[in-house]
Amino acid sequence: DAGVTQSPTHLIKTRGQQVTLRCSPISGHKSVSWYQQVLGQGPQFIFQYYEKEERGRGNFPDRFSARQFPNYSSELNVNALLLGDSALYLCASSLGYGYTFGSGTRLTVV
Amino acid sequence: GEDVEQSLFLSVREGDSSVINCTYTDSSSTYLYWYKQEPGAGLQLLTYIFSNMDMKQDQRLTVLLNKKDKHLSLRIADTQTGDSAIYFCAQGEYGNKLVFGSGTILRVKS
Repeated sequence: DAGVTQSPTHLIKTRGQQVTLRCSPISGHKSVSWYQQVLGQGPQFIFQYYEKEERGRGNFPDRFSARQFPNYSSELNVNALLLGDSALYLCASSLGYGYTFGSGTRLTVV
Repeated sequence: GEDVEQSLFLSVREGDSSVINCTYTDSSSTYLYWYKQEPGAGLQLLTYIFSNMDMKQDQRLTVLLNKKDKHLSLRIADTQTGDSAIYFCAQGEYGNKLVFGSGTILRVKS
């Protein structure tokens, strides 16, 4: 079975631009979460979705948004990019516990 | 609020045991996790323990949980060079977000 897949793997954007990151969960997993990992730190929670509804939101500005589709895949959108948004963005899926993470999208904002 | 703390760095010799420690603040967390991250990669779930358990063993890995002191440890027996990575402790409730520590860098010397 395929694990959690994320695309793209790497991305370079300019300040002020918008970006969309994509995630496909493990088959059968209805919960998808997004995390931001800045270099040298642990992952920070951004969003959680379950059955297409937002279940939780971390301490991130409104420039960050997400959604989950009927097939349980998910997108994370970030508007008006800042240099500080440069990070590894991780997606995780689960059945409720034992979260499985994807390899992440490395976003660089220049 | 929720907080997870880990020591920054651990260096061991190949073949020795490694013990990585973690303290957490949220006593309501039902699950405690250990994740491994290799350079440039996502997070790999190593093991987890329910809060009603004191110990869990899985091959070379032993997790000890002291609920009174809110202390979690991961022991890796017969540490190998391939175990060199960053290890993250995380806490969470069923179906909810994970709160991560800042990670412990494990260096294994041959």
